[in-house]
Amino acid sequence: GAVVSQHPSWVICKSGTSVKIECRSLDFQATTMFWYRQFPKQSLMLMATSNEGSKATYEQGVEKDKFLINHASLTLSTLTVTSAHPEDSSFYICSAGGGFYGYTFGSGTRLTVV
Amino acid sequence: SQKIEQNSEALNIQEGKTATLTCNYTNYSPAYLQWYRQDPGRGPVFLLLIRENEKEKRKERLKVTFDTTLKQSLFHITASQPADSATYLCARSGGNQAGTALIFGKGTTLSVSS
Repeated sequence: GAVVSQHPSWVICKSGTSVKIECRSLDFQATTMFWYRQFPKQSLMLMATSNEGSKATYEQGVEKDKFLINHASLTLSTLTVTSAHPEDSSFYICSAGGGFYGYTFGSGTRLTVV
Repeated sequence: SQKIEQNSEALNIQEGKTATLTCNYTNYSPAYLQWYRQDPGRGPVFLLLIRENEKEKRKERLKVTFDTTLKQSLFHITASQPADSATYLCARSGGNQAGTALIFGKGTTLSVSS
């Protein structure tokens, strides 16, 4: 079945630094990928839609200058959290696929900003 | 606003019983609904999709129903096992398009005790 690989699984960074999270579709091409954020005991909240070869579409309230998304190829999307602060600490998850076969999600990245 | 709601945050049942989880939607008519399982610290895993013109869909011990009159989907796990303990998420999408993101309910955390 379709596999989405997400790295790193967890990362700890200092406040003010930037962190890059990678999301790869291993056995299929994905012109569109999605990035979600999940706070403890809450559901997944869509942050942005990543489009190959074009700009990402951000949800209302998500700062596009803070959460930089690059979808340079049909198998790779990256999310960079710039100038991270403790309130950015969360679980970030990417996904791809869709239609009647469901969506495939990465295993998630636990970001802790100290 | 268009909402998808899972009103029960938690459900505790005994092993062998049938677990029934509820998903309600308001102010729109989804083309289909999807159900996912999420284990702690992991990304969601696709379980079942049911279209609006389908009353019921089954997969092994899982069954999903879709009632457009009640605007509700029920998710059943028969002969539940402790390994079924997880958070179950209901999600909607706008249609059969790979470029449409999923919007999730808050999820119901199922605990099956032996």
